[in-house]
Amino acid sequence: GAVVSQHPSRVICKSGTSVKIECRSLDFQATTMFWYRQFPKQSLMLMATSNEGSKATYEQGVEKDKFLINHASLTLSTLTVTSAHPEDSSFYICSAFSGTGELFFGEGSRLTVL
Amino acid sequence: QQQVKQSPQSLIVQKGGISIINCAYENTAFDYFPWYQQFPGKGPALLIAIRPDVSEKKEGRFTISFNKSAKQFSLHIMDSQPGDSATYFCPPPGGFKTIFGAGTRLFVKA
Repeated sequence: GAVVSQHPSRVICKSGTSVKIECRSLDFQATTMFWYRQFPKQSLMLMATSNEGSKATYEQGVEKDKFLINHASLTLSTLTVTSAHPEDSSFYICSAFSGTGELFFGEGSRLTVL
Repeated sequence: QQQVKQSPQSLIVQKGGISIINCAYENTAFDYFPWYQQFPGKGPALLIAIRPDVSEKKEGRFTISFNKSAKQFSLHIMDSQPGDSATYFCPPPGGFKTIFGAGTRLFVKA
């Protein structure tokens, strides 16, 4: 089946630094990808919709300057957490619809900000 | 975006038992309805999905069904195993953007 890959799976950074997470669709083109944030034992919270070649659409309450999304190609979207702080520590997940209309998720990226 | 009502929030089943998880919607018009399984520290994985041309689909021990009159989708896990212990999500059917409910945390006792 279609595969969505995320990298890195785990990242630890110091407060104030920026971290980039990549989301790739490995065997299909994705004009749209989604980014989620998940806190322990909670559901996926949709952060933004990443659109290839255009600006991302952010959900209410999500700071677009804090969470920069770039979707420069049909197979890659990146999420950059800028000036990260401990409260940004979370599990970030991306997803994309395949050509057959099925939604596939990445493996997730665990961010820890010290 | 329509709301998703998933139940139960948590479920404990004995090994070999049947696990049943339901999702109810206001409007059940859909063209694709997947269930996702998520293990701790991992992203959700597509478990099984159904399209509107069938009311039930079975894959191994997992069955997804659609009750139109009740406006409800159900996931049945037969002969539940400890390895099935995970969180299960149903998203709103169809639509371009998916918003997930709280999920159901399943624990299968050995």
